[in-house]
Amino acid sequence: DVKVTQSSRYLVKRTGEKVFLECVQDMDHENMFWYRQDPGLGLRLIYFSYDVKMKEKGDIPEGYSVSREKKERFSLILESASTNQTSMYLCASSGNFNSRQGRPNEQFFGPGTRLTVL
Amino acid sequence: KNEVEQSPQNLTAQEGEFITINCSYSVGISALHWLQQHPGGGIVSLFMLSSGKKKHGRLIATINIQEKHSSLHITASHPRDSAVYICAALMDSNYQLIWGAGTKLIIKP
Repeated sequence: DVKVTQSSRYLVKRTGEKVFLECVQDMDHENMFWYRQDPGLGLRLIYFSYDVKMKEKGDIPEGYSVSREKKERFSLILESASTNQTSMYLCASSGNFNSRQGRPNEQFFGPGTRLTVL
Repeated sequence: KNEVEQSPQNLTAQEGEFITINCSYSVGISALHWLQQHPGGGIVSLFMLSSGKKKHGRLIATINIQEKHSSLHITASHPRDSAVYICAALMDSNYQLIWGAGTKLIIKP
């Protein structure tokens, strides 16, 4: 089974705090993604990475940064959390090749982190 | 206009009914991804298909590339099928998915 884990299920932070969300996948996937999901807006891509140390902006990168120092780990950083960053954050990974774990670019998701910024 | 449109937005049905959820897209794609999200957040990949039809248990996904349309069917629906079903289009030569807004399905016993 593909396993994508996220460091926390629920997180409460204060405005201005630096927040780290960690995501780890164990399937040697090349690609990793960070999304946020808000009611009525669906999934929106924040950043993605197609290789170690590589990152690409998604649709809503403002206020976020990412780090991918190792293939299995992709971190999302909120440099100075704000209340409008209260959301569900979902991490996903995908591989470039057919495998037992899925087709190329088939995305597998972590359980999500519900972040509340007060 | 969204490049990936799902319909209906909401669907309530009785247990046992045959369910169809539709997904239309306006861009060239290499594959279409169907996913399921239960209350509580977790998103599960159901199918990824680029042609024809795929079946897994009571779930069937079809795609018509010429008409830029895909459907997800559930046979003999059950209350545990209640979830949000999302389709997403994989662009040609791209890692990213373009997401539909989701269809909220409720199956009543």
